[in-house]
Amino acid sequence: DTGVSQDPRHKITKRGQNVTFRCDPISEHNRLYWYRQTLGQGPEFLTYFQNEAQLEKSRLLSDRFSAERPKGSFSTLEIQRTEQGDSAMYLCASSPRRASGKVNEQFFGPGTRLTVL
Amino acid sequence: QQQVKQSPQSLIVQKGGISIINCAYENTAFDYFPWYQQFPGKGPALLIAIRPDVSEKKEGRFTISFNKSAKQFSLHIMDSQPGDSATYFCAASERNRDDKIIFGKGTRLHILP
Repeated sequence: DTGVSQDPRHKITKRGQNVTFRCDPISEHNRLYWYRQTLGQGPEFLTYFQNEAQLEKSRLLSDRFSAERPKGSFSTLEIQRTEQGDSAMYLCASSPRRASGKVNEQFFGPGTRLTVL
Repeated sequence: QQQVKQSPQSLIVQKGGISIINCAYENTAFDYFPWYQQFPGKGPALLIAIRPDVSEKKEGRFTISFNKSAKQFSLHIMDSQPGDSATYFCAASERNRDDKIIFGKGTRLHILP
């Protein structure tokens, strides 16, 4: 399967613990995105990378959240001191280098479902 | 403030019928309007998309109708099938900002066999 992969698919943790999620984008996609999706809502943009550079962060991304893409390939999203409100599906997406005049399609992974007890 | 408003929240349609989902937006800088389909346990997948320079785009049984003056767009699924049962999201992004997609809240569609 050459799509976007995410690990783990499910994570249950206790309030106050740290968690880390991994995303492997489609090979050669230079852009990588993180979204959060809560029940009954659409995905909400968190942040995105172009290669290893983090170009934008949403106000939703509090200082307890940090994302990295050290070598411009896979990315990690860490949440420190988790709170019950962090319970959500965390989606990763990737897209190829933008061709002039074209819109980049974002390809989504299956997500990591986080439950904070 | 919700930038893309989607309705209805849920929809039940008989097999063979037409499913219609509506979206409205306020930001006139939006110039790309995709629709995503999401099955349980999966991430969203691009279904069809439109730019505001056309009023309609059709791909197979799926059609987007776009009304620029009213700032509204809709998805029509013709001859709806049970396999179309999924959650559908309308979305929008600004010119040259396809990195930041704003999603609607979604419509859960159920097609009765």
